[in-house]
Amino acid sequence: EPEVTQTPSHQVTQMGQEVILRCVPISNHLYFYWYRQILGQKVEFLVSFYNNEISEKSEIFDDQFSVERPDGSNFTLKIRSTKLEDSAMYFCASSESRVYNSPLHFGNGTRLTVT
Amino acid sequence: RKEVEQDPGPFNVPEGATVAFNCTYSNSASQSFFWYRQDCRKEPKLLMSVYSSGNEDGRFTAQLNRASQYISLLIRDSKLSDSATYLCVVNGGSTGNTGKLIFGQGTTLQVKP
Repeated sequence: EPEVTQTPSHQVTQMGQEVILRCVPISNHLYFYWYRQILGQKVEFLVSFYNNEISEKSEIFDDQFSVERPDGSNFTLKIRSTKLEDSAMYFCASSESRVYNSPLHFGNGTRLTVT
Repeated sequence: RKEVEQDPGPFNVPEGATVAFNCTYSNSASQSFFWYRQDCRKEPKLLMSVYSSGNEDGRFTAQLNRASQYISLLIRDSKLSDSATYLCVVNGGSTGNTGKLIFGQGTTLQVKP
């Protein structure tokens, strides 16, 4: 079964540093997403991306965050200057479409630890 | 009212038991509803979509009540492997039909031998 893959599985960085989280969505999927989950809390939407542009973003997704699809397979999330509160599990997801009940498939996540 | 609200549990049940989880959502424009399962420190995995007419997948039955904005999940004949956190998930876009999913906090199920 095709799957969404994310690298690295764990990233440790110092406050103020830039990080790039990488994802390879399922190949025939057209919609891409980033979600995050702070330890012990619920999964939260960050951003959706379609046709090389952001479709929707949450309040969390401020100017410190950006997304890119640099080639035909990768989808990246960049945090420019990390803060302690950015420590979380970051999940990439993809879906075939946005029509009714098109489910999202999640990658296994990148655990970001900001020290 | 929280966007998606669930009883966090935990629900501790013996193997073979039937257990039901409930969830309420606040966005009446939501069009898509799902139950996801999340094991400890793992990614959410789709358990089943929830349809207006109710739907069943093996031991799992999901129901949706749009008027009450209420979703349920019934698990029959619980197995040890069902132990996980069950996430009620609702489409949260302004048109009710985008990939912006709103997750509940999750209900933890522990099935004991």
